[in-house]
Amino acid sequence: EDQVTQSPEALRLQEGESSSLNCSYTVSGLRGLFWYRQDPGKGPEFLFTLYSAGEEKEKERLKATLTKKESFLHITAPKPEDSATYLCAFSNFGNEKLTFGTGTRLTIIP
Amino acid sequence: DAGITQSPRHKVTETGTPVTLRCHQTENHRYMYWYRQDPGHGLRLIHYSYGVKDTDKGEVSDGYSVSRSKTEDFLLTLESATSSQTSVYFCAIRGGGGLDNEQFFGPGTRLTVL
Repeated sequence: EDQVTQSPEALRLQEGESSSLNCSYTVSGLRGLFWYRQDPGKGPEFLFTLYSAGEEKEKERLKATLTKKESFLHITAPKPEDSATYLCAFSNFGNEKLTFGTGTRLTIIP
Repeated sequence: DAGITQSPRHKVTETGTPVTLRCHQTENHRYMYWYRQDPGHGLRLIHYSYGVKDTDKGEVSDGYSVSRSKTEDFLLTLESATSSQTSVYFCAIRGGGGLDNEQFFGPGTRLTVL
């Protein structure tokens, strides 16, 4: 069965303290692995798409990486404005839906 | 900004009443989606549309119907609302112009069924 698990559920970091969020997935026929950011009371905001193992994408303090079983979202020297819930999701061939994990709630303490 | 609006943004209703949520997009995207988000479940697909009058079921479609009579509008209807349908509902579109696989989300509708 296709599924995705995110860990940890919640993470508190000091400002400037780098860390990584994990997204483990099991899927037959991966079309894409997606990362979103969601602020309270808002819709998910698209960050990255990864298509194949070894691929990396970067945006400001965020870098997403992909292996055959996991994706990581690395946060370097985070700032309080990086506080949000980060969601990962995948799509597979022959299926329109995105399958989402339950997210990691990240809090950056000034 | 994917040019998606949802209405209403908040609604409280009684069990057994019909409810319609509206998603409106301004950029002529072909694919539109309705998801619900609940604690502990992540977002789950309810229904989607791949063109005017063309719709299909997602993984949690029971109790919901959809309609798309114009490209820009995708309606989600709860024929007889139940407390289990209390949730936050998000509309999404599939992007274009090199972002053909990505989905972009609206601001959401918070629905409470008493």
